[in-house]
Parts: sequence; structure tokens; C-alpha cells
Amino acid sequence: GAVVSQHPSWVICKSGTSVKIECRSLDFQATTMFWYRQFPKQSLMLMATSNEGSKATYEQGVEKDKFLINHASLTLSTLTVTSAHPEDSSFYICSVRPGQLMNTEAFFGQGTRLTVV
Amino acid sequence: AQSVTQLGSHVSVSEGALVLLRCNYSSSVPPYLFWYVQYPNQGLQLLLKYTTGATLVKGINGFEAEFKKSETSFHLTKPSAHMSDAAEYFCAVTPSGAGSYQLTFGKGTKLSVIP
Repeated sequence: GAVVSQHPSWVICKSGTSVKIECRSLDFQATTMFWYRQFPKQSLMLMATSNEGSKATYEQGVEKDKFLINHASLTLSTLTVTSAHPEDSSFYICSVRPGQLMNTEAFFGQGTRLTVV
Repeated sequence: AQSVTQLGSHVSVSEGALVLLRCNYSSSVPPYLFWYVQYPNQGLQLLLKYTTGATLVKGINGFEAEFKKSETSFHLTKPSAHMSDAAEYFCAVTPSGAGSYQLTFGKGTKLSVIP
């Protein structure tokens, strides 16, 4: 199966600063990657779909100016949380789905625990 | 819009006992169905999936699930729980027709295994 590497696995930052999270597809080229957010004891909520070479598609209610997504290559997508605030503290997970078919499994990064203090 | 309902946010079983985690979906057309497991502070790992064919699907770690169209269910079972099964389990769906292939997740069920 596909290997997805997410970095960093955890980060603590001060309120008002920006944090960049990287998601790499190590063994296949991903034209699309998905970014999820997971609050404690809750499910994964899709934030946005990252598209290589074009703008990301954001879900309703997700601020695109706050959560900047860049998918500059077929193996790397980045999520930057700008001007982070304590309410942005969460677990962020990226995912790829080889073949871009509805019946294929998705592969997930190990997640990034963001704590804003 | 599709939705996934997982009954029971927390399930506790004794080691060696049957594990049953419930999942129901709402869709006019049967979707593709998946079960994922998540260990603390980690990403998700696929346990099994149903797309077409046999409705009883076997996955990793001794888990299996049965797709029942009449009940719009895809419950996850394991005959004998092991301590290492303690984790969060998510049921997810993707529409089988045309459209976006993003996954929609249930709220998850935390499984505790009592020694």
C-alpha cells in the first residue's frame, strides 16, 4: 500500500505564529491529497482537497486564508495554519487515495498534533 | 448527502469475548464501505472494505464485516477480543456512483478490552 509521511508529528507554537505541516506520498504520485482535522474524541472532518498544480478545494466553513494549502508537486502537499490561535489546536491528518477511485482505500499520514499556547 | 452512524461511542469487552461494532449508512444507492482503526496519536489504518461481490468481508487482525443492504448496515465483528484491539474504530463510506470520492466518516467507536 501507499506510504504517506506527515511531518511534524507534533508541534507547539505560540498564538499568532504560523505553522506548516508537510504531507508526502513516498511511493506514488498523488494528484490529490486530503486534509482532515480531528478534535478530541471526535471523527475526522474533511477540511480541504489539495490538488496538484491548482487551488485547493475547501469544505464549507473552512477559512481558506487561515489554512493555506499548497500542492506544488505530485508527492508533497503542505498545510499552513496562519496566525494560529488556541482554538486551532487539534490533530491534523493528511490522506491520499491511489487510483482516485471510489472503491480504493485511502492511506493516511501519522497525523500532526498541533497545540497553540 | 450520505451519512454514517456508529452506535455507541464507547464499547467495552472482556479479553476473549466477541467484539461487535455497529455501523449504519444512509444512502439511496449502496455506497462503498470501509472500516478503519486508529491508535492514539496515529493516522488511520484500513481494516477491511466492501465494494462489490461477497457481502461478508474479512480483514486484517481477525476482523470481518457483513454488508446487509436491507438493513443498510456494515457491522464489524471479531470472535475473540485481544488486548491489542483496544483502539478507535471508524466506519466510512464513499458514494458508488459518480461524484467526489472523498470519504465520509462516522463519529467513531472507542473499543476498550478488559483483561
